Amino acid sequence: NAGVTQTPKFQVLKTGQSMTLQCAQDMNHEYMSWYRQDPGMGLRLIHYSVGAGITDQGEVPNGYNVSRSTTEDFPLRLLSAAPSQTSVYFCASSYRELYEQYFGPGTRLTVT
Amino acid sequence: DQQVKQNSPSLSVQEGRISILNCDYTNSMFDYFLWYKKYPAEGPTFLISISSIKDKNEDGRFTVFLNKSAKHLSLHIVPSQPGDSAVYFCAARYGNKLVFGAGTILRVKS
Repeated sequence: NAGVTQTPKFQVLKTGQSMTLQCAQDMNHEYMSWYRQDPGMGLRLIHYSVGAGITDQGEVPNGYNVSRSTTEDFPLRLLSAAPSQTSVYFCASSYRELYEQYFGPGTRLTVT
Repeated sequence: DQQVKQNSPSLSVQEGRISILNCDYTNSMFDYFLWYKKYPAEGPTFLISISSIKDKNEDGRFTVFLNKSAKHLSLHIVPSQPGDSAVYFCAARYGNKLVFGAGTILRVKS
């Protein structure tokens, strides 16, 4: 059981570039989500999904897109990277009721 | 507007003593509360939770207390151990979302 996996672990982008952060889980969880962690601000919800084909916005969705074509995968797309998107990104999954979320190891993204 | 606040950025405690981490919230619609622990360069891991219909939940050295009238919850760690040194986040559930506090850095000195 690999749990929640994220790739890449580190990424440096130039302003305006696009990229996709990958997230996968093997626990058959319905719920998946993306957070960003910034100093002094805790974890802020970007987008979430309650099942395949269903996504919704969180607290800070601007500049990010998601899709959920399978139960296992929930990629996060940065459309045109900006320095304000420099952060650590965490993917998480849980059962539908959100009693407990399992987090991936994170992706550290720097946008120059 | 932070709905979940952890007002102490850091806390330092001697090994063997009690650690008390605090969290305040503003939204009375939160129905479930969780504590997560995070080591550097790792993802957060779930520690303990409590439903809004309870006032206490205990799991080994960890106890969470909820005071709904004060909109306040606390995490007690007894006895504290050096391996408990980490960042602790409280989180609150509202519908399909978790709202996190900014975190408290706990340092347990041996």
